[in-house]
Amino acid sequence: NAGVTQTPKFQVLKTGQSMTLQCAQDMNHEYMSWYRQDPGMGLRLIHYSVGAGITDQGEVPNGYNVSRSTTEDFPLRLLSAAPSQTSVYFCASSYSRAAILEAFFGQGTRLTVV
Amino acid sequence: AQTVTQSQPEMSVQEAETVTLSCTYDTSESDYYLFWYKQPPSRQMILVIRQEAYKQQNATENRFSVNFQKAAKSFSLKISDSQLGDAAMYFCAYPSNSGNTPLVFGKGTRLSVIA
Repeated sequence: NAGVTQTPKFQVLKTGQSMTLQCAQDMNHEYMSWYRQDPGMGLRLIHYSVGAGITDQGEVPNGYNVSRSTTEDFPLRLLSAAPSQTSVYFCASSYSRAAILEAFFGQGTRLTVV
Repeated sequence: AQTVTQSQPEMSVQEAETVTLSCTYDTSESDYYLFWYKQPPSRQMILVIRQEAYKQQNATENRFSVNFQKAAKSFSLKISDSQLGDAAMYFCAYPSNSGNTPLVFGKGTRLSVIA
């Protein structure tokens, strides 16, 4: 199993550009989520999904969009990149609600917005 | 807002010694897991240990163990016989109070291991 795969691993964007961070899992997990990690802030939830066609906002959703058309994929879209979105982004998935079972994480995407 | 508090931003330990990382949380769930994740410089998030809240016995995984105090909502991680490879960020995580929201993470503790 590949687990959770995130692409790209590194990205530099100019302010105002848009892009999509890809996340795919091959474990048939229903729950998927996106976090951002900033120094001294831990991991903060951006958006999450409890199944195909169902998404919801987390703690820091502004400036990001998500969709979940399949169980396997959960892309994160930056609509108009800003320097404040410079961060490391993690995608995670779990078989059921993450309160009960562990979450599996991708290797992260380091995004720099200049 | 729900909070999980890791009160030690940085800690250090001598190789082969024991260190304890602290974590407190405020979930209103009655049955849940608590997790400690390790993040080495590679950025990968690695599950270290998990504790089921309804179990009174503290979880143990080799050199890693927890001290779980449910009433106090405290969940500390003890690393015995510390090794250089234990140097990393450690995050405590617990379930959100609301609906289907995924895990809530603390801000992390950076552990250094001194040879």
